[in-house]
Amino acid sequence: DVKVTQSSRYLVKRTGEKVFLECVQDMDHENMFWYRQDPGLGLRLIYFSYDVKMKEKGDIPEGYSVSREKKERFSLILESASTNQTSMYLCASSLTVESGYTFGSGTRLTVV
Amino acid sequence: GNSVTQMEGPVTLSEEAFLTINCTYTATGYPSLFWYVQYPGEGLQLLLKATKADDKGSNKGFEATYRKETTSFHLEKGSVQVSDSAVYFCALTVGSSYKLIFGSGTRLLVRP
Repeated sequence: DVKVTQSSRYLVKRTGEKVFLECVQDMDHENMFWYRQDPGLGLRLIYFSYDVKMKEKGDIPEGYSVSREKKERFSLILESASTNQTSMYLCASSLTVESGYTFGSGTRLTVV
Repeated sequence: GNSVTQMEGPVTLSEEAFLTINCTYTATGYPSLFWYVQYPGEGLQLLLKATKADDKGSNKGFEATYRKETTSFHLEKGSVQVSDSAVYFCALTVGSSYKLIFGSGTRLLVRP
């Protein structure tokens, strides 16, 4: 089974800090995604990547950037954390969209 | 644009009751449709999918039929169990797009 591992389950950071969320998948998937999940809003796509060093903005990229230096790793960066970025962050990977996404367990980030 | 609308939750049922969670969509073109499930404290898992009209996806006793005429993909299960308590997300993708568009999720609570 494909596994997607997010480095932290819970994080607490201070306003203005630079925050790195790491995601690693072990099945050679081309496509990787970062979503945030908020009550009543469902999942919203932040960024995605369809190849190494390739990235595309999703629906809510403001305040975020990403890095994909190796195929298996996709990092989400909060350049200067703000309280409105307190959320659950979910990473996913896929071979094709039709094959379905495999999600990590999520990182619950609190910015104080 | 492309979007997914799910029924508001929570849905509360007794064990062995019949389940329906409604999902309708708007799409430019011919979407592929998915149901994902999120158990407490976990990431999302693909539950079932259908890639063309009149297809029926099924898994773990859950079923959903791709209805093009009503633009719907309702999730059903004949007899729910306490272990089915989770949040269910309907999602779609269109054409060659890499990304999934999710509904806001419906929480199901099954009481013994």
